[in-house]
Amino acid sequence: EPEVTQTPSHQVTQMGQEVILRCVPISNHLYFYWYRQILGQKVEFLVSFYNNEISEKSEIFDDQFSVERPDGSNFTLKIRSTKLEDSAMYFCASSEYQGGSYEQYFGPGTRLTVT
Amino acid sequence: GQQLNQSPQSMFIQEGEDVSMNCTSSSIFNTWLWYKQDPGEGPVLLIALYKAGELTSNGRLTAQFGITRKDSFLNISASIPSDVGIYFCAPVGDSSGTYKYIFGTGTRLKVLA
Repeated sequence: EPEVTQTPSHQVTQMGQEVILRCVPISNHLYFYWYRQILGQKVEFLVSFYNNEISEKSEIFDDQFSVERPDGSNFTLKIRSTKLEDSAMYFCASSEYQGGSYEQYFGPGTRLTVT
Repeated sequence: GQQLNQSPQSMFIQEGEDVSMNCTSSSIFNTWLWYKQDPGEGPVLLIALYKAGELTSNGRLTAQFGITRKDSFLNISASIPSDVGIYFCAPVGDSSGTYKYIFGTGTRLKVLA
């Protein structure tokens, strides 16, 4: 069964460093998403991406965040200058299409620890 | 802004009991989704509801999309130990036409064997 994959599973970085989190969405899906979940809290929407551009973004997704689909399979989230409060699980998700079906499939997540 | 309330926050139940949880919002939505999250894993979609009043089942799970489009409930019948986890509602598509996916605060379920 196709699934969303994410790498790395755990990333430790120092405050102020740049990190890139990688995702490979399900191959025939057209919409891609990033979420974050601070330990013990709810899942928070960051951004959705379609046709090589951002569709929606939340207030959390400020100028330090960016997303890219550098090739036909990868979808990345870049955090330019990490802060301590960026420590969280980051989940990538994809869906076949947005208009008729919102059924998103999530990856296993990347745990980001900023020290 | 939008308010989304999910309850209960947590519950301990005996194996075999039925469970009910619900979400209410201050806004109207076009779709209600229910997810389950196991520890250390990503959320997994359980049920998707697309029409107001719709009642949908998936095995022991039953969910309904409230007629006002501002609420939804999820029932689990005859709970088993593997039902343990966090359940999130996630309404989508509000009246403004945006598709910012909002998750509820979660219901943490613990099943006592």
